[in-house]
Amino acid sequence: AQSVTQPDIHITVSEGASLELRCNYSYGATPYLFWYVQSPGQGLQLLLKYFSGDTLVQGIKGFEAEFKRSQSSFNLRKPSVHWSDAAEYFCAVGGMDNNNDMRFGAGTRLTVKP
Amino acid sequence: GAVVSQHPSWVICKSGTSVKIECRSLDFQATTMFWYRQFPKQSLMLMATSNEGSKATYEQGVEKDKFLINHASLTLSTLTVTSAHPEDSSFYICSAIGGSGYEQYFGPGTRLTVT
Repeated sequence: AQSVTQPDIHITVSEGASLELRCNYSYGATPYLFWYVQSPGQGLQLLLKYFSGDTLVQGIKGFEAEFKRSQSSFNLRKPSVHWSDAAEYFCAVGGMDNNNDMRFGAGTRLTVKP
Repeated sequence: GAVVSQHPSWVICKSGTSVKIECRSLDFQATTMFWYRQFPKQSLMLMATSNEGSKATYEQGVEKDKFLINHASLTLSTLTVTSAHPEDSSFYICSAIGGSGYEQYFGPGTRLTVT
């Protein structure tokens, strides 16, 4: 069965500092991987996705993620965090093997210090 | 493109009543729709998967008689919470996939409060 682990429940970084949010997955075949951001009381916004091809994926808002098959990881990075990046971040895995349904990690809450 | 809407965005109902939430794909035909539930400060949990014209597939532990899902057309799926109780209060999010695509497009969510 597919699963997603986000080891960090809460991360605090200073504005302007770099950011890395960890995501590990378990999936029997080639996974489709996603990162979403959710502001309080809001829906999900897709930051980026990986289906195939280049393992370094560029997303919106200056985010990128790297798919590492050997480590079963899909970590999200941003070189310089802005105060508006404070939100909840979810990693998700899906695929055609499971009727395209998606499993989400527990989420990582990002706090940005001024 | 690929916009999904939900209605209402928030609803308050009394315990014992039923409430219907609509999920619409506005600019594409959704062959598959998904319903998720999210408790405060928690992740999204898949409740059920519905394909147009067929019965929904519920995840283990989700009561199909309590959470009625109807995917009557390629642009509309509804979730009806029957005989709602305070513990059903949650944030309900739908998503949709069109055609042979893999990516789910998410609605903005519906906050349900049962008093």
